[in-house]
Amino acid sequence: QKEVEQNSGPLSVPEGAIASLNCTYSDRGSQSFFWYRQYSGKSPELIMSIYSNGDKEDGRFTAQLNKASQYVSLLIRDSQPSDSATYLCAVNIGEGSQGNLIFGKGTKLSVKP
Amino acid sequence: DAMVIQNPRYQVTQFGKPVTLSCSQTLNHNVMYWYQQKSSQAPKLLFHYYDKDFNNEADTPDNFQSRRPNTSFCFLDIRSPGLGDAAMYLCATSRDLPGVGPSEQYFGPGTRLTVT
Repeated sequence: QKEVEQNSGPLSVPEGAIASLNCTYSDRGSQSFFWYRQYSGKSPELIMSIYSNGDKEDGRFTAQLNKASQYVSLLIRDSQPSDSATYLCAVNIGEGSQGNLIFGKGTKLSVKP
Repeated sequence: DAMVIQNPRYQVTQFGKPVTLSCSQTLNHNVMYWYQQKSSQAPKLLFHYYDKDFNNEADTPDNFQSRRPNTSFCFLDIRSPGLGDAAMYLCATSRDLPGVGPSEQYFGPGTRLTVT
């Protein structure tokens, strides 16, 4: 069973702090990794995609990937109350018609003013 | 703007009364997915279409069916909704990256289904 694991939280950080969200995955063949943000009652929204080991920065968001450790993380700098949401980690498995994304259960982030 | 559209946004149906949810996309992606998401849970994949090829998840109940008449449209049919089928239904699209697998998925706004 291929799995994606995340701490469910809630993770609570003060406004302006760095929020660190972590994800591990079981399929060593996975090559694509994604972070989604989901507000309550809304659909998931893509924040970051990462395909290579190392860091990828986009504004206040940094995704980090370590394929050897099967670990991907998301850092949110200068956290804002509007960042309060559930963050879903997604990892690809398979290719072609068998390709798909496996989602973690999500980490709920709360940013306190 | 290219996007994924779902209709209706909210659907109320009676126990056992068939219902159809629709999804359309202007992204020209070849892969379309249907997910079920219940409160505080991860999206659960029901099935997906890779072009015209239908891929059903092993644990998707027979009560759920899907149709994809063309690249842009995909439908979810629930033949006899039960109370346990009340959920948010999400449509998503992606394109296939040769040698890598599916690209990022783009989600529609979802349809909230209530079963009375």
